[in-house]
Amino acid sequence: KNQVEQSPQSLIILEGKNCTLQCNYTVSPFSNLRWYKQDTGRGPVSLTIMTFSENTKSNGRYTATLDADTKQSSLHITASQLSDSASYICVVSTDKLIFGTGTRLQVFP
Amino acid sequence: NAGVTQTPKFQVLKTGQSMTLQCAQDMNHNSMYWYRQDPGMGLRLIYYSASEGTTDKGEVPNGYNVSRLNKREFSLRLESAAPSQTSVYFCASSQKTSGVSAYNEQFFGPGTRLTVL
Repeated sequence: KNQVEQSPQSLIILEGKNCTLQCNYTVSPFSNLRWYKQDTGRGPVSLTIMTFSENTKSNGRYTATLDADTKQSSLHITASQLSDSASYICVVSTDKLIFGTGTRLQVFP
Repeated sequence: NAGVTQTPKFQVLKTGQSMTLQCAQDMNHNSMYWYRQDPGMGLRLIYYSASEGTTDKGEVPNGYNVSRLNKREFSLRLESAAPSQTSVYFCASSQKTSGVSAYNEQFFGPGTRLTVL
């Protein structure tokens, strides 16, 4: 069964700290992996899209990694800001998009 | 550019009532999608339209119908609402698609929060 699992479910950090969110998937065949940011009450917004051959991709303070052998991805946020408070959703693409349930990140001052 | 717009933002229905959720995009995208998002679950695809004039079922199509009115607009209709359809509904669009997914970024609307009593 195609599945995308994210951990932790929720995370609280202080402003300025770094954090890493995890995504494990059992999806076949694999096309690409995406990370989305979803602010409360808003639609998801794409942060990165990585294909099988891409190990790392950055978007500002967001850096995503992909290990296609172990079927794991991570999203690292550097020097967190209050505006990073949101849900982060890992999505794996096969013949359709398989969405994870997200990690709820809260950044406090 | 407004991107993807959805109306209404909020709606409360009684069981058995019908309604149509509207979605429009101004990015000249070929493909459009309807998802639902429920607590503790990932987004699930209800219907999609790969191009104007075509629609296909997604993962959870039962109880819904769609219309691709033109290239810009894609509506979702609930003919007889049920409490199980209480959810947040998102419309999305992408430039093109091969099947449902491709290396094409999907742009999401702000969502419609629907409660069925």
